[in-house]
Amino acid sequence: DIVMTQSPDSLAVSLGERATINCKSSQSILYSSTNKNQLAWYQQKPGQPPQLLIYWASTRESGVPDRFSGSESGTDFTLTISSLQAEDVAVYYCQQYYTTPRTFGQGTKLEIK
Amino acid sequence: EVQLLESGGGLLQPGGSLRLSCAASGFTFSDYAMSWVRQAPGKGLEWVSGISASGGRTYYADSVKGRFTISRDNSRSTLYLQMNSLTAEDTALYFCAKERTEKFDYWGQGTLVTVSS
Repeated sequence: DIVMTQSPDSLAVSLGERATINCKSSQSILYSSTNKNQLAWYQQKPGQPPQLLIYWASTRESGVPDRFSGSESGTDFTLTISSLQAEDVAVYYCQQYYTTPRTFGQGTKLEIK
Repeated sequence: EVQLLESGGGLLQPGGSLRLSCAASGFTFSDYAMSWVRQAPGKGLEWVSGISASGGRTYYADSVKGRFTISRDNSRSTLYLQMNSLTAEDTALYFCAKERTEKFDYWGQGTLVTVSS
């Protein structure tokens, strides 16, 4: 199975500051036919189901604010929130959809400092 | 508007069985693969099982293989998860999720399964 490892486990950032969450896959999740990494980011607010934010490592889902961005370098992936808003408090998960079983990172809890 | 409504959760004893349902609306159900994802209390997300749009291909996590069966009724726009030989480790909130080229673009609110003696 592909193991997804996120860091840090928790993060406290001041409002308006940048938040950065990392995710590393245990093997390549690059789909050769499309040359796209099969990596998604989800946001889960308390008491709610997850919501898709980013797919193909860096493509923002429709309706997601542009302060959210994704980047990639080999098997390392990053979710960046450029200017943290109060409504961004949540747990963030990365997930690979390159193969089954689909696997998630352990989650990163983002709080306001 | 896409809606996914899970049902069928409950409290049961170890070794018991349960069937979860997910009623879908707002999209052409038969065009999309679907999955079940669970979340144990206070824990992260775990993909459980997936099924192709036609129902012809099914996939399972090792933790549930041989005990859970995913199925769908495209005429009723409903996804199912038959769960047998349940243990305390299966206690979780079970979400159904719609797939769009293999990422989960819509999720239901979940149905809670509690396995306890």
